[in-house]
Amino acid sequence: EVQLVESGGGLVQPGGSLRLSCAASGFTFSYSHLNWVRQAPGMGLEWVSYISSTYEIHYADSVKGRFTISRDNAKNSLYLQMNSLRDEDTAVYYCASDRDYAFNIWGQGTMVTVSS
Amino acid sequence: QSALTQPPSASGSPGQSVTISCTGTSSDVGSYDYVSWYQQHPGKAPKLMIYEVNRRPSGVPDRFSGSKSGNTASLTVSGLQAEDEADYYCSSYAGRINWKFGGGTKLTVL
Repeated sequence: EVQLVESGGGLVQPGGSLRLSCAASGFTFSYSHLNWVRQAPGMGLEWVSYISSTYEIHYADSVKGRFTISRDNAKNSLYLQMNSLRDEDTAVYYCASDRDYAFNIWGQGTMVTVSS
Repeated sequence: QSALTQPPSASGSPGQSVTISCTGTSSDVGSYDYVSWYQQHPGKAPKLMIYEVNRRPSGVPDRFSGSKSGNTASLTVSGLQAEDEADYYCSSYAGRINWKFGGGTKLTVL
């Protein structure tokens, strides 16, 4: 079964850090382009970051300089290191693979709450 | 970067058709045939319904169709069924490895 499973969410104070993980199974992870997409409570979706199969990396302006995406093909895992967290980073964070410029596989999401 | 514009709500009776619009700019929807649509039920992850404007992934019913004209893309759901009630989001590739999403449309089956 094709699957992405996120973990690592939780409650963190403003200015704090958190590392999200996404474990993949059922498809050829090393050949896949991967993304993080977030959804603030009651709001729409927002693309956050991308890492290609060849380790090309891009970020949305809203997180550039604060978030770092990485992958470990040996562990079939994707990561998002989030530093200097702000209230507006509160959201459900989804990992998603993209193919043909569309997000074709999604995880179930992990909630990140930034609050004092 | 502004999000794509969708109507906040849409509705239709079972069996009817409903169309949801998604308006972008010449830098995103107007420039690329990489518009996709996602269905999201409450508390669930989004599901890809349409990609490359009008292509359906395997398993998506042919009641779902997509189109694009200029800077506006559209999703049409024909033969509405109760299980189609959900939030729908459009997305467009915006160049230089960047995607934009719409604000979402809540589809109600009356």
